[in-house]
Order: sequence, then C-alpha cells, then structure tokens
Amino acid sequence: KAGVTQTPRYLIKTRGQQVTLSCSPISGHRSVSWYQQTPGQGLQFLFEYFSETQRNKGNFPGRFSGRQFSNSRSEMNVSTLELGDSALYLCASSLDVGGAGEKLFFGSGTQLSVL
Amino acid sequence: AQTVTQSQPEMSVQEAETVTLSCTYDTSESDYYLFWYKQPPSRQMILVIRQEAYKQQNATENRFSVNFQKAAKSFSLKISDSQLGDAAMYFCAYRSVRQGGSEKLVFGKGMKLTVNP
Repeated sequence: KAGVTQTPRYLIKTRGQQVTLSCSPISGHRSVSWYQQTPGQGLQFLFEYFSETQRNKGNFPGRFSGRQFSNSRSEMNVSTLELGDSALYLCASSLDVGGAGEKLFFGSGTQLSVL
Repeated sequence: AQTVTQSQPEMSVQEAETVTLSCTYDTSESDYYLFWYKQPPSRQMILVIRQEAYKQQNATENRFSVNFQKAAKSFSLKISDSQLGDAAMYFCAYRSVRQGGSEKLVFGKGMKLTVNP
C-alpha cells in the first residue's frame, strides 16, 4: 500500500510568487491535514480537510489556502510568497472513522525555499 | 490553548543502552491523546507510540514505552536497547478530543537523539 505522497519534494520560488503543493493520501483515507515545519517555530498546524470541507484551520494569514478533491487528494496554495514562508510543508492523512485517537500518517514533505 | 514542552533539545545514548526523553504539556481538558513521533533524516514523521489520557496503563510498543503522569502532565518516552536506527528527531504531540472531530496535533519543539556505536 503506497504511503502519503507529496509533490514536489523541493521547490525554489522568489518573493511575490505563488506556489501550489500537492498531497495524495493513503488509499481509503478521508482526512488530510497540513503542517508547516521551521527551525524557529517548529511544527505548526495549517489546516485540515475532510470530505472536501475544511474542518479546522490554524493561525496563518489568508495567503495560505487549501482544498480537498473528491478523491481525497489535497492541495495547498501560498500566494505572494514571503521569505518567512521558507519551510518544510508536511501533509498527513488518516482513515478518520470517528475516533479521536486515530493515527496520522505523514508524507516526506515539500521543502520550499523562498529567495 | 494547549502547549507541549520538550526541554531537552539534544540527547545522546550508547547503542544497546536505555534513554528517556521528557515531555510536559499544559491543558485544562481531562480527555485527550498524547503521541511520540520520530522524524529521521528522510523527513517523514513516523508514529512511535500513542497514549489515551483516560487509560492509566502506560503504553508500550516493543522497545518503546511511556511513563504517563496525568496529574503532573508529564509524558516521557523510554527507548530500551537503543539502536543506530533510533537516531532521529523526536516530537511529543497532543490531541484534544473536543475539537469537533478535528485531528489537529500540537507539537513540542522536538529533541535530537544521537545513538553512538
């Protein structure tokens, strides 16, 4: 069974550009969440999707957005990139059958560098 | 808001020895889940162990076990018979059970574990 797949693995952009990151969850998983990881702030929750609906959102500016498609694949978009957006972006998926203790399975992330 | 604190940024252990990673958290909730994740150089976060707050029994997974002290809000991870493959960043994480079904995790800053041969 394939794991969580994130593309691309590395990305270099310049300030002011926009970027779209993709996440394909494990087959059958219905929930997808995104995290930003930086050396200074650590891992911070961005947002979470279930059945194409955003279920929860972290404390990030509106430049950060996401969506989930009917096949559970998810994308996140960052517009008007800033230097501080340089980070590892991790995606995680779960079966989400209702239990709060469900396991999250993470991808290997997309390393975004903003120059 | 919940917070998770890992006060030791780095630790090292000799191969085959035992090491304990500490984690404390702050919450006003009585029901929640706690997790330890491992992040090797491949960057993929891997679940090591999970603890339900309502369970008094400490969770164990092979060489990994936890010491969960609910009153003290402490959740330490013990790695027995350390192996070279255990070298990684370790993150402690908290999940509330009252967020409308959300699976949001609150992570600590992480701790780098080095295993010496």
